[in-house]
Amino acid sequence: DQQVKQNSPSLSVQEGRISILNCDYTNSMFDYFLWYKKYPAEGPTFLISISSIKDKNEDGRFTVFLNKSAKHLSLHIVPSQPGDSAVYFCVGNFNKFYFGSGTKLNVKP
Amino acid sequence: DADVTQTPRNRITKTGKRIMLECSQTKGHDRMYWYRQDPGLGLQLIYYSFDVKDINKGEISDGYSVSRQAQAKFSLSLESAIPNQTALYFCATSETGRNNEQFFGPGTRLTVL
Repeated sequence: DQQVKQNSPSLSVQEGRISILNCDYTNSMFDYFLWYKKYPAEGPTFLISISSIKDKNEDGRFTVFLNKSAKHLSLHIVPSQPGDSAVYFCVGNFNKFYFGSGTKLNVKP
Repeated sequence: DADVTQTPRNRITKTGKRIMLECSQTKGHDRMYWYRQDPGLGLQLIYYSFDVKDINKGEISDGYSVSRQAQAKFSLSLESAIPNQTALYFCATSETGRNNEQFFGPGTRLTVL
């Protein structure tokens, strides 16, 4: 039973526009969420995180929003760049890390 | 040099063979993890270790075993490989404490024929 779900396997966006990656979770015990980015032939790398007591965290072009009542979070990338093309994993944390299945983002020049 | 290294990077083996995947880290982290990734799925936790004397099963530990030889080394073994263990395997480390990000190795692509 997947506790973290990323229902969009892929997303295509034009360079300069906003990319919005969505994530839903079922475990209300999660107290921390992370986003990882993965390029082919490499391991995932940490991108941004948010505590469950917050509803927004921003780091440069990346912003994560958390809606606890809806058990939903999203990652916004503005403006999107071709180098952002990668697979993005949403992760919930409660004692252990639970990964979503990932969304492959393609940013077109 | 990479902080988290995995060997081998690619391995093809046959059903029934014993195989070991190795992970080393230079980050000085106490916590280490083994994950597998299957196509269309996220990373699933196989085993994790919070220090040298602490080993815990993850979501999908059946068919696997681990050894934490030192703070810096954590190996994953498949005692008798089977084809549905064909996957991408990742090792990761993190600092002690809650909510610390994980640092991943580059992965090992394992194929069991």
